[in-house]
Amino acid sequence: RKEVEQDPGPFNVPEGATVAFNCTYSNSASQSFFWYRQDCRKEPKLLMSVYSSGNEDGRFTAQLNRASQYISLLIRDSKLSDSATYLCVVVWGGFKTIFGAGTRLFVKA
Amino acid sequence: DGGITQSPKYLFRKEGQNVTLSCEQNLNHDAMYWYRQDPGQGLRLIYYSQIVNDFQKGDIAEGYSVSREKKESFPLTVTSAQKNPTAFYLCASRQNQETQYFGPGTRLLVL
Repeated sequence: RKEVEQDPGPFNVPEGATVAFNCTYSNSASQSFFWYRQDCRKEPKLLMSVYSSGNEDGRFTAQLNRASQYISLLIRDSKLSDSATYLCVVVWGGFKTIFGAGTRLFVKA
Repeated sequence: DGGITQSPKYLFRKEGQNVTLSCEQNLNHDAMYWYRQDPGQGLRLIYYSQIVNDFQKGDIAEGYSVSREKKESFPLTVTSAQKNPTAFYLCASRQNQETQYFGPGTRLLVL
């Protein structure tokens, strides 16, 4: 089992749709969780951190379920500019950072 | 501006040649990382350093070497022992439990 697994994708959605990504992790001692966005041929950039209580940033909502060891990202009212690869990131042991393979999202007009 | 810089943006390697990728950060971060990304794949950890003069192998360290003589610098050498070096190389830095910040990356191509 991979340490961090994501939905395989790609997700093809129309503008305005709501789309959800899930990510599972294997290490119950994981401490920090993040979602990154990566555009084609660019470096990953932080989208949002994920907190136990759940958190929202505009159209984006992230949630963490420690009992089931998964995190999720919900994008509401999808825009064309949301088309990218979304990476799930888990940190444990202070410095050990594991990236998921990413889920590609295509938003079409 | 604070950030991470990588150079060059594109690098061409001849067979049997060692090449060095530069990574510099002025964020005063203790930890620095090197990742490799192949087309359509996730990031794989090559080496990381938690503090000056110390570094650890990641999941795919064979054929690579690093040094950490200064806090702000973490160069990666791709040696001739790395038989399939063509990839997108990303450097990152981080402080404690905070998020990682990435440089713009270097694309390495073999001639």
